[in-house]
Amino acid sequence: DADVTQTPRNRITKTGKRIMLECSQTKGHDRMYWYRQDPGLGLRLIYYSFDVKDINKGEISDGYSVSRQAQAKFSLSLESAIPNQTALYFCATSEPGTDHTGELFFGEGSRLTVL
Amino acid sequence: GQNIDQPTEMTATEGAIVQINCTYQTSGFNGLFWYQQHAGEAPTFLSYNVLDGLEEKGRFSSFLSRSKGYSYLLLKELQMKDSASYLCAVMDSNYQLIWGAGTKLIIKP
Repeated sequence: DADVTQTPRNRITKTGKRIMLECSQTKGHDRMYWYRQDPGLGLRLIYYSFDVKDINKGEISDGYSVSRQAQAKFSLSLESAIPNQTALYFCATSEPGTDHTGELFFGEGSRLTVL
Repeated sequence: GQNIDQPTEMTATEGAIVQINCTYQTSGFNGLFWYQQHAGEAPTFLSYNVLDGLEEKGRFSSFLSRSKGYSYLLLKELQMKDSASYLCAVMDSNYQLIWGAGTKLIIKP
């Protein structure tokens, strides 16, 4: 089983619908992240959390919200989806103080299509 | 603004050597990362450089020059499975990762 699991893996929805992408991890890491990936662009950070009570906006947080329900769970919500939110979404974890501080461990990705 | 530049696509031959370059302009520097991403899959960590010089790990090596804002990833003895995108990322002064758009490497027999 994957250490970082995302659900759903694929989702097609319509404009205006509420969507939640969920992420759970068994790595025991405190830090969790949500990124989106679009063709021709680098990964862009949406939100990140350094522990259960910590939520921080990333580069492109508008139109998104998150919830850190537990150390192992970090969910991303699109309250009212729009077509330009069509993208591949990745959840990632990291642990500070390791040899490669900043090394990220990614989930398998959630491909979202908004019609 | 912050910027990471890397070639969009490169082609190489199985068994050969390829060098993928990355140049960066960021607010501060706390390390440079290379990740590999196969089509439709998650990125996976390859290497980390924080000091100038070459880091070797098997068939893969990564080089950093902080004064030039430059790094490269060197892949030797290319195999078909090395066909993937290679992502360069720099950790800035706020310990945030800034990502390049990735270089798609195509390996031909």
